[in-house]
Amino acid sequence: QVQLQESGPGLVKPSQTLSLTCTVSGGSINSGNYYWSWIRQPAGKGLEWIGRIYTSGSTNYNPSLKSRVTISVDTSKNQFSLKLSSVTAADTAVYYCARVTGGGFWTSWGQGTLVTVSS
Amino acid sequence: QTVVTQEPSFSVSPGGTVTLTCGLSSGSVSTTYYPSWFQQTPGQAPRTLIYSTNSRSSGVPDRFSGSILGSKAALTITGAQADDDSDYYCVLYMGSGIWVFGGGTKLTVL
Repeated sequence: QVQLQESGPGLVKPSQTLSLTCTVSGGSINSGNYYWSWIRQPAGKGLEWIGRIYTSGSTNYNPSLKSRVTISVDTSKNQFSLKLSSVTAADTAVYYCARVTGGGFWTSWGQGTLVTVSS
Repeated sequence: QTVVTQEPSFSVSPGGTVTLTCGLSSGSVSTTYYPSWFQQTPGQAPRTLIYSTNSRSSGVPDRFSGSILGSKAALTITGAQADDDSDYYCVLYMGSGIWVFGGGTKLTVL
């Protein structure tokens, strides 16, 4: 069974770039018709879809975040990554990675990682 | 941008039936939106309950079911149990690779 694990700094300074990695285990990131996604959740608030990447490298982003987001994949490490630039306190949230099939099945979620934006 | 709407809160008695809905600020939800439903308890990652409108994820009890009711996607819990007391989120596929989550429904079982 595929498992996902987020990792990265828990504290980022305002105006800097948030960088997170999602490591996939129990299966190859290259196999199957899957989209590898990032989602976030501020404390006490709802889920927000950030974007996704297909193993071909094609990406889609939330229009409200598009100018600041980059999602990439490293198939050699079985990982995909999120970069969010020019962060503010509003970007403080728990960040999740997830796997979604082409048919819209959200098959797996990471446990989430808290990122705080503060000086 | 289109907003995905959910009831902010709902309550149900143990053993009762409740239907949560997922709509659009403009237009109707259909199967082409691939509605999915998630359950989340405090401090935990979301758990996928339903995908593609009415397909149940592995291990999800059959008291959870998904459908389209009128212009909205719906999650029905039949025979609610105490541990169904959670937050529930829906997500819709808007096309062009874009997904949008609803604001979530806090379900209280009491």
